[in-house]
Amino acid sequence: GIQVEQSPPDLILQEGANSTLRCNFSDSVNNLQWFHQNPWGQLINLFYIPSGTKQNGRLSATTVATERYSLLYISSSQTTDSGVYFCALRGGTSYGKLTFGQGTILTVHP
Amino acid sequence: DTGVSQDPRHKITKRGQNVTFRCDPISEHNRLYWYRQTLGQGPEFLTYFQNEAQLEKSRLLSDRFSAERPKGSFSTLEIQRTEQGDSAMYLCASTLLGEQYFGPGTRLTVT
Repeated sequence: GIQVEQSPPDLILQEGANSTLRCNFSDSVNNLQWFHQNPWGQLINLFYIPSGTKQNGRLSATTVATERYSLLYISSSQTTDSGVYFCALRGGTSYGKLTFGQGTILTVHP
Repeated sequence: DTGVSQDPRHKITKRGQNVTFRCDPISEHNRLYWYRQTLGQGPEFLTYFQNEAQLEKSRLLSDRFSAERPKGSFSTLEIQRTEQGDSAMYLCASTLLGEQYFGPGTRLTVT
């Protein structure tokens, strides 16, 4: 099956700093999503981005499907950005199930 | 906002007992997925329904696990004879066209 690798595994920032999270994948994809998992376990949709670039406030994401990677940018980070960020994608031959990466644990200090 | 809901949110059970979880998807979504997440890992796919038909099951879904979606609306996931290794967060997601939306999960602890 499709492989998903996220980096870095852990990231510690001071409030106000910028960061880039990376997601590499091993095959072509039909669907790629970025999620933020809050401390209670809820997965919050950030972006649905199988290709191209999208922006939502301080967050933006870019997927270059031909080179098999996606990037999540967080600017002017806040303590509420802390949590686990997951990249998840659907390969071409699946019924739509998402394969998740291992996640990036982000900690933002005040 | 009627998102995906799951019940119960937490379940503590003793080894060997049966448990059942419920998922109510977003109303117009015809596709429903179950995932399991253990500590420190990303969610892993368990099973998929399109309307009432169960179209895919992961090898993670042993014969102690069964899932149903009888009328193509809500779904149930039952675990029989629970084991300590079943302790995890069980997540449900739904979609209409592609983007999946997740419920808050049911956290199962088997003692």
